[in-house]
Amino acid sequence: AQKITQTQPGMFVQEKEAVTLDCTYDTSDPSYGLFWYKQPSSGEMIFLIYQGSYDQQNATEGRYSLNFQKARKSANLVISASQLGDSAMYFCAMNTGFQKLVFGTGTRLLVSP
Amino acid sequence: DGGITQSPKYLFRKEGQNVTLSCEQNLNHDAMYWYRQDPGQGLRLIYYSQIVNDFQKGDIAEGYSVSREKKESFPLTVTSAQKNPTAFYLCASSRTGLLETQYFGPGTRLLVL
Repeated sequence: AQKITQTQPGMFVQEKEAVTLDCTYDTSDPSYGLFWYKQPSSGEMIFLIYQGSYDQQNATEGRYSLNFQKARKSANLVISASQLGDSAMYFCAMNTGFQKLVFGTGTRLLVSP
Repeated sequence: DGGITQSPKYLFRKEGQNVTLSCEQNLNHDAMYWYRQDPGQGLRLIYYSQIVNDFQKGDIAEGYSVSREKKESFPLTVTSAQKNPTAFYLCASSRTGLLETQYFGPGTRLLVL
């Protein structure tokens, strides 16, 4: 069975600082995808970044980067130069085939001025 | 602009009543999904459909029903058999294929009167 674990219920960061949100996963499938989504207070899930299990390089999208350590089964999200608008819930998710996404319980990030 | 719309934003259900949540997408995606989110938790898959006129149960399908008569639409009915329907419901869509990214609508919050 696939499982995603996010051990940080909440994180605090000051504006313009970098922050790392942790995610570990468990699967026996050799082919899988790892995703990070942002959920602001409005509720919509916003796709941020994707990492495939066979990708050689860590994924990056603007201020977001994914620190993928396959041997440790971790896929941490790094947000550089935090902004007040980054305050939200962040979810790590995985799929291993056709479409079914498994989500972690999320980390609430609060960015302070 | 392409996207996913869900209506209504808030929905109130009386005991013993069936209610239907709407989900429409104009992204030309073949696959569509329904997830449920409870407070402090990640998303759980209710139903998904990879093609018109076909759909499969997810992890928590009991008390729910769906139809997929059009590519653009995937309505979810919460039946009276669902004993704890109060939750946030999110619809998503994606291209078919392995490890495709799912994109989400704004969600519907269902409350029981």
